[in-house]
Amino acid sequence: EAQVTQNPRYLITVTGKKLTVTCSQNMNHEYMSWYRQDPGLGLRQIYYSMNVEVTDKGDVPEGYKVSRKEKRNFPLILESPSPNQTSLYFCASSLSGADSYNEQFFGPGTRLTVL
Amino acid sequence: KQEVTQIPAALSVPEGENLVLNCSFTDSAIYNLQWFRQDPGKGLTSLLLIQSSQREQTSGRLNASLDKSSGRSTLYIAASQPGDSATYLCAVEDNYGQNFVFGPGTRLSVLP
Repeated sequence: EAQVTQNPRYLITVTGKKLTVTCSQNMNHEYMSWYRQDPGLGLRQIYYSMNVEVTDKGDVPEGYKVSRKEKRNFPLILESPSPNQTSLYFCASSLSGADSYNEQFFGPGTRLTVL
Repeated sequence: KQEVTQIPAALSVPEGENLVLNCSFTDSAIYNLQWFRQDPGKGLTSLLLIQSSQREQTSGRLNASLDKSSGRSTLYIAASQPGDSATYLCAVEDNYGQNFVFGPGTRLSVLP
C-alpha cells in the first residue's frame, strides 16, 4: 500500500530534550515536506526537500532541522524543543516539486507536546 | 508572499444540499492548486488537484474550478451527505514548484 508513515504518532517530552520524528514514504517520491498545524494558524511549511541531500527552509524553520540521506526518509529533528513547538506535525511527499502533477500525500500526523 | 484565504470559515447545511466552498490566493503565479479534506485528529486526504493550465477537475460529487487570473478557486459539493462533514483545505504550489501555502480551511457540517 502506497503511504507516508510517521513515528511516533504521539509524543510528550520536556523542554530541551532532543527528539526526532521520523517520516518514510514508499512511493519513490522525490519531494518531501514537513508542516505544523496550529489552531488559528493553519498548516505552515517547516522544511522541504526536492531530492536526496537537497533541503530548504519553509515558512517556519526556526528550531527545527531536517536531513535527507535517503530518498524514502525525511526525519524532523528538534535539537532543543520548547513549549511553543507543541503542535500537530505532518509529513508529506509528492513525485516532484517542480511538476504540475505534484499531488501531495500526507502522513497521519504526530501530536507533540513539549512541557 | 503568497497568502491563501478560505470563505466561509464554517458552514452547516442540511443533507442533500449543494454547496460551494471558496479559496482565494494573492499571487496568481502558481503551479497548481489542491483541495484536501481533513477529518478531526486525522491527516489530510487529497480530493482534487488542478494544474495551473486547467480550469476545473471533477471527481464524483466534487467539482473544483480554478481562475488563476482572479486568484480564486471553488469546490462544489453536490448532494451533500453527513459523511462529507470535515474540514476542507485548499493549498497552492508556488511558481517555483517548491513551496506550498495552505488556507485556514472551511469546517463543514452536514446535518442528517
